Amino acid sequence: AQKITQTQPGMFVQEKEAVTLDCTYDTSDPSYGLFWYKQPSSGEMIFLIYQGSYDQQNATEGRYSLNFQKARKSANLVISASQLGDSAMYFCAMISTGTASKLTFGTGTRLQVTL
Amino acid sequence: EPEVTQTPSHQVTQMGQEVILRCVPISNHLYFYWYRQILGQKVEFLVSFYNNEISEKSEIFDDQFSVERPDGSNFTLKIRSTKLEDSAMYFCASRKEGTGDTQYFGPGTRLTVL
Repeated sequence: AQKITQTQPGMFVQEKEAVTLDCTYDTSDPSYGLFWYKQPSSGEMIFLIYQGSYDQQNATEGRYSLNFQKARKSANLVISASQLGDSAMYFCAMISTGTASKLTFGTGTRLQVTL
Repeated sequence: EPEVTQTPSHQVTQMGQEVILRCVPISNHLYFYWYRQILGQKVEFLVSFYNNEISEKSEIFDDQFSVERPDGSNFTLKIRSTKLEDSAMYFCASRKEGTGDTQYFGPGTRLTVL
């Protein structure tokens, strides 16, 4: 069984600062993928970034980067130069290649960007 | 950029009524999913669908739920007899091919059961 743990229910960050949202995972599958999704107050789920378990380099997408530490089973999201529009819920999710590729989600972190 | 669409955006129904939530996945995607999110809680997997059949379902997806791909574009979730605890946001998602390919989510349907 897979499990995603997000231990920060809420985070505050000042505009233009960087912030790290924590995510740890547990799986016995040798091959898996990790995702981050953003959910603004309007409710939709927006894909941000993906990291495969065999990827040699940490994933980056614009201001988003994923700090992947396989031995520690962590996949933290780093948002650089925070903007007011980054205020939202952020969900970490995992997919395993041995399944029908359903996503298992964490409980989320609510990020609030302040002036 | 192609996107997953869902209708309606909000559905209010009486307990015991049937509802059908509709989704149009991205056109070249082959795998389709339904997830739900009870207010304030995490997103939970309901069912996955591939090659016109269910490939996996969760324990939440009991006999009152069914999915269908009635034509080449739509993907529907039917709840036969709604209960109060079915009130949630329901997300449809689709992905192309390959396990690592990203699942793209629709905007969701908020279901309220009274």
